[in-house]
Amino acid sequence: EAGVAQSPRYKIIEKRQSVAFWCNPISGHATLYWYQQILGQGPKLLIQFQNNGVVDDSQLPKDRFSAERLKGVDSTLKIQPAKLEDSAVYLCASSGPDGVYNEQFFGPGTRLTVL
Amino acid sequence: LAKTTQPISMDSYEGQEVNITCSHNNIATNDYITWYQQFPSQGPRFIIQGYKTKVTNEVASLFIPADRKSSTLSLPRVSLSDTAVYYCLVGEDNAGNMLTFGGGTRLMVKP
Repeated sequence: EAGVAQSPRYKIIEKRQSVAFWCNPISGHATLYWYQQILGQGPKLLIQFQNNGVVDDSQLPKDRFSAERLKGVDSTLKIQPAKLEDSAVYLCASSGPDGVYNEQFFGPGTRLTVL
Repeated sequence: LAKTTQPISMDSYEGQEVNITCSHNNIATNDYITWYQQFPSQGPRFIIQGYKTKVTNEVASLFIPADRKSSTLSLPRVSLSDTAVYYCLVGEDNAGNMLTFGGGTRLMVKP
């Protein structure tokens, strides 16, 4: 079974520019998560979708970050405008109704560098 | 949300058993305990999950005492490839639940 796909794998931008990340979850997985992982820290959940609805986005900096999951499948996370402190790895994960509770399958991540 | 506390880092040698303990004093009745492993430049990977007593799979064992205020991940006979960060998470299986990754425990396995 194919895993969670993310693109691009790496992105370098200057501050105040905009950037978008794409995620394709495992087929059939209803729940999709976006995490931000700053170097040396654990992943921080930004937003959680159940199908195409937002379950929780309390930690998403909504003045600059936005995310959508059209048709309950693929998702995009956008940052506009980017700040230096947004440099991090952005991880996408998905989970389905089957299997163990809370088992999330993570993609390889997108490493963002803001100069 | 139940907060978790883990050691920041641990060192071990190949072939030894490693035990990583996680404290979660405020665990709720419906919460499960889940451990993830993360290698550099990769996303976290599920290792094991449990609710109480002991759970064992092909990778690890998870020991949970009766009061459930802590849990111990046991890795038998570690190898160099077990060098990674290990995260303990506490939460329930609910679409509305937000799991929180702490800082994790950096395990270094030496030859």
